[in-house]
Amino acid sequence: GAGVSQTPSNKVTEKGKYVELRCDPISGHTALYWYRQSLGQGPEFLIYFQGTGAADDSGLPNDRFFAVRPEGSVSTLKIQRTERGDSAVYLCASSLGVGSGTEQFFGPGTRLTVL
Amino acid sequence: SQQGEEDPQALSIQEGENATMNCSYKTSINNLQWYRQNSGRGLVHLILIRSNEREKHSGRLRVTLDTSKKSSSLLITASRAADTASYFCATTSGGGADGLTFGKGTHLIIQP
Repeated sequence: GAGVSQTPSNKVTEKGKYVELRCDPISGHTALYWYRQSLGQGPEFLIYFQGTGAADDSGLPNDRFFAVRPEGSVSTLKIQRTERGDSAVYLCASSLGVGSGTEQFFGPGTRLTVL
Repeated sequence: SQQGEEDPQALSIQEGENATMNCSYKTSINNLQWYRQNSGRGLVHLILIRSNEREKHSGRLRVTLDTSKKSSSLLITASRAADTASYFCATTSGGGADGLTFGKGTHLIIQP
């Protein structure tokens, strides 16, 4: 019944560390999206899943970023060897995924700070 | 990369007035959506307009789309203090449930 949830809400880490960000989509939504939002900017698309598979990962900035959705529900965004430039709010969204223009429902985001 | 550019970047008006925000985009689109983001909270979907539509209404919201000019406008009538937020346009280009390309947003402040 609840909306999209993301954990943790805040994450502070040191440069070079590995982090995992979790997203729980709305039950029954087959499509799941990850975005990154820097201060004063609009969200930037990272990756989109349809079911368990990544349908479009063209927004991932480099190979330090990876995301999985093994059972077609919960997704984890993984960032290796974090850099200060990775600091941003990471947003997750889900949708019914039945076609173009389906409304996306966003979670509250995880604020990542890399020191 | 960001597709859209909202104009103005910031807008401050008195409660009860109408607020108009514009969005321009670069490539051909399948549809255009407007989202609202309150400080410290997630994005909320407001309205979607398809590329073959020219105008759409939802409550106090009116959206227009001009594909020849690659632009859209969002009008909020009879503004309220609760409308204070950032507003983003977002586009999709593909035929599936693909990711959104957002603009930089307009920060709207409604003065009581």
